[in-house]
Amino acid sequence: GAGVSQSPSNKVTEKGKDVELRCDPISGHTALYWYRQSLGQGLEFLIYFQGNSAPDKSGLPSDRFSAERTGGSVSTLTIQRTQQEDSAVYLCASSLEGTGIAGELFFGEGSRLTVL
Amino acid sequence: RKEVEQDPGPFNVPEGATVAFNCTYSNSASQSFFWYRQDCRKEPKLLMSVYSSGNEDGRFTAQLNRASQYISLLIRDSKLSDSATYLCVVNITTNAGKSTFGDGTTLTVKP
Repeated sequence: GAGVSQSPSNKVTEKGKDVELRCDPISGHTALYWYRQSLGQGLEFLIYFQGNSAPDKSGLPSDRFSAERTGGSVSTLTIQRTQQEDSAVYLCASSLEGTGIAGELFFGEGSRLTVL
Repeated sequence: RKEVEQDPGPFNVPEGATVAFNCTYSNSASQSFFWYRQDCRKEPKLLMSVYSSGNEDGRFTAQLNRASQYISLLIRDSKLSDSATYLCVVNITTNAGKSTFGDGTTLTVKP
C-alpha cells in the first residue's frame, strides 16, 4: 500500500488491560510520529522517531505509555493498564524529513481506542 | 497559554463567501508553518505550506506575519466541499520533529 497503515482500526478493551497499536509508515520515510486525538479535540503529540531512535518522548502522558520502532519501519505504541481517559483516536504519521524542519506529515486513518 | 492557538469557530458561511482564519503561535523560534484540513472522523491532510512571502493555491491564500506571530488562511468563493476543520501547524527547529497542531477551526459552508 502507498499510505500509512494502522491497525487495529478499532479496539474496545476493558479498563486495566494492555493494548498494542501498530503503525506501518510509507516506505522510505525516516520520521514517524504518534499523536492522540480525543473527541472534538485537537491533536496531542505523543512521540517522534527518527529511524529507530526517539529523540522526543516528551508527549507520552505517563509511564504506562511506551513506543518502539524496529528496522526503521514499523512502530508499536503500547498502553499498559488502560484507563478510561486513554480512550481516543491514536494517529500515526510519517514524513521524509525529521531533522527539525519537518515537511509534510502523512497520516494513517488512526486506531480508535475505547476503554470501558 | 497554548503554543498554537486558533479560534475554534464554528464558522458558518454561505456558498461563495470569503472566509479567513487566523492562528497565533507563541514561540518566536518557529520556523515552518502549514495548514492541514481534517474532515469529520478522518485523518488530517496537508492543505498548504505557508511561506514568508505568502502563497496562493487556487481559492486558498496563506499568509505569515512573523512580527505578530500569526498565520492566516483565506478561502475565496467557498464551496460546500470546503466544510471541514482547518488545523494550523507550527514547527520549531529546536524541537526536532515535533509538529505542534492547533485545535482547529471548524468551517461549515451552507447552500
